[in-house]
Amino acid sequence: AQTVTQSQPEMSVQEAETVTLSCTYDTSESDYYLFWYKQPPSRQMILVIRQEAYKQQNATENRFSVNFQKAAKSFSLKISDSQLGDAAMYFCAYRYNTGTASKLTFGTGTRLQVTL
Amino acid sequence: GAVVSQHPSWVICKSGTSVKIECRSLDFQATTMFWYRQFPKQSLMLMATSNEGSKATYEQGVEKDKFLINHASLTLSTLTVTSAHPEDSSFYICSAIRLTGHTEAFFGQGTRLTVV
Repeated sequence: AQTVTQSQPEMSVQEAETVTLSCTYDTSESDYYLFWYKQPPSRQMILVIRQEAYKQQNATENRFSVNFQKAAKSFSLKISDSQLGDAAMYFCAYRYNTGTASKLTFGTGTRLQVTL
Repeated sequence: GAVVSQHPSWVICKSGTSVKIECRSLDFQATTMFWYRQFPKQSLMLMATSNEGSKATYEQGVEKDKFLINHASLTLSTLTVTSAHPEDSSFYICSAIRLTGHTEAFFGQGTRLTVV
C-alpha cells in the first residue's frame, strides 16, 4: 500500500523568507502523480503544484517549486518570498496513474505559520 | 473552470435523523468522485469512491449502510448520513476528477456536520 509521510507537523517562516516542507512516500509503482495541496482556515482544498513521476524536471508555479527525488521517494515543497496568505495546512498527496481515476493518498499535513 | 460545489456548507441535525450532502461538478463531467472525512487538525480520510452508474467502493471500516453514496450522473454525487449520531459530527469533503484528463482532483468547499 502507498503511504505518504510528512514529518513536520508545524513550520514557521518570516514574511519574504523561504521555507521548505518535506514529504516522503512509499510506492512500488513507477507511474504516478504527486501533489501539494493547501488548506487555509476556510478548509477549501487548493492545488498548489503537481509533479508527474515520469518527468525529471521539477515543477514550478510562481513562488512554489518542488524538489522531486524519485529514487529517494522524496517530494519537498519550497515556498519563496513567503506571504501572510501562505499560512495554511499543507498536504502532500500521491496518486497512482492507472489510466483511470484513482484515489489520492494524503500525508498528515504540515501547518505553516507566516510571521511578520 | 473545474469548479466543484458542495452543499450545504454546514448543517445541524438531531440524533437519529438523516442528512444528505450534495457534490456537483459545475463545469466538467466527473467520472469519479471521492468522499472524505476530516477531523479537527487531521488529514483527510477517504471514506469511499463513487463512480457514475455503479455502486460506491467503501474503504475498510466505513459503514456502507450508514454512509449511503449515490452517483446518479456525471455531475452529481450525494452522501447521506443515515440515523446520524453525535460521533458522526465532522467535516466532510468531496472531490471530483474530470472525465478527460485524469491528473488532478478538484475539491468542494466541504460540509461541517453537527449532530445534536
